[in-house]
Order: sequence, then structure tokens, then C-alpha cells
Amino acid sequence: AQTVTQSQPEMSVQEAETVTLSCTYDTSESDYYLFWYKQPPSRQMILVIRQEAYKQQNATENRFSVNFQKAAKSFSLKISDSQLGDAAMYFCAYKGRSTGNQFYFGTGTSLTVIP
Amino acid sequence: ETGVTQSPTHLIKTRGQQVTLRCSSQSGHNTVSWYQQALGQGPQFIFQYYREEENGRGNFPPRFSGLQFPNYSSELNVNALELDDSALYLCASSRTDRAMYEQYFGPGTRLTVT
Repeated sequence: AQTVTQSQPEMSVQEAETVTLSCTYDTSESDYYLFWYKQPPSRQMILVIRQEAYKQQNATENRFSVNFQKAAKSFSLKISDSQLGDAAMYFCAYKGRSTGNQFYFGTGTSLTVIP
Repeated sequence: ETGVTQSPTHLIKTRGQQVTLRCSSQSGHNTVSWYQQALGQGPQFIFQYYREEENGRGNFPPRFSGLQFPNYSSELNVNALELDDSALYLCASSRTDRAMYEQYFGPGTRLTVT
């Protein structure tokens, strides 16, 4: 089964600074999708950014960007110009193209933004 | 556009009881997935419903069952509740043609089993 590992249970960043959250995954598939979700204290999970494995270019959404290293099976999230509203749990998730409809989530990284 | 809604927000049940959780899909979405999120963990896929039929299931026993209705809303039923069933239950909806990555989550139902 696919596994997603987030090795940083907690991270902190100064407001306006940059932080990188790590994620690695294990799969035998060549075509898949990777995601970062944000879960604020209100609990509603929000999609932050997604990456399709066949695309070599790293995805970017405003202040959020990823570093996708397919060979290393690594998918880190960089948050630039951190804001207080970025404080949340961040989950990395994987979905294979050929393994049905199941999303696999990591255990999450709790991000604190220090004013 | 109406987002994904879930009810109730919180629920307390006793071991051995049965519970039903409800989810209304986002407008235009025809697929619903259910997840269990234990405290301090990431969401675990329970199952997905499409066209009122189960369309994929994670590693959960048969006492976890579901329904999808013609209006694409969904229910998650759990029988013979166990203490380990205490968790946040998340519902996510998507469109079939974009099911690969356009999942929208509801706020969840917090279930406590005593």
C-alpha cells in the first residue's frame, strides 16, 4: 500500500519569513497526484496546491510552491511571506491514477506563525 | 455555490450503539468520499459513493456502511460502536470528471464513543 510520511510533527516560522514542510511517499506507480491540504483549527480541510506526477514543472499558487522530486519521492511545500492565517495543520496526500479512488494522507505538520 | 455541509457537528454515543452521519455535497458534485480522522492523525479513507453505489473502500470493517441519495447527499452508518471509533468524520465531494483532484471537504462531525 502507498504510504505518505511527514517527518515534522510541528514547525514554526516568523511572520513574513519562509518555511518548508517536508513530505515523502512510497509508491510503485508512475502516474499519480500529490496534494497539500490545510486544516485550520475550524477543521475544514482546504486544498492548498496539487502536483501531477507527469508534470516536471513544480506547481505554484501565489505564496505556496512545491519542490517535487519524483526520483526521490519527495514533495515539499514552501510557504513564502508567512502570514498569521497560515497557522494550521498541513497534510500531504497522494492519489494514484490506477489504485482506485483512495487518497492517502500523511500524519500532518502543525505550523505555528510567530508574530 | 453551496459548499459541503455535514451534520451533526458533535455527537456522543455509547459503545455498542449505532450512529448515522450526514453529508450534503457541494452543488454540481456527484461523488462523495468519507474519511475517519483520529486525533493527531491524517484522514483515513473509509469509502466513496458514486451513482448511489459504493465505488471504492478502504480498510474498514463492514459495520461501516453508507448510502448515497439521488440528490448526491450521503450518509455514513456505523454499527456496534467501539471506543476506537471516536474520531472526526470528514466528508468530501467531487465531480466525476475531476474526481482525480478536486475534492472539497466538509467541516466534519466529531464523534465521541464512551
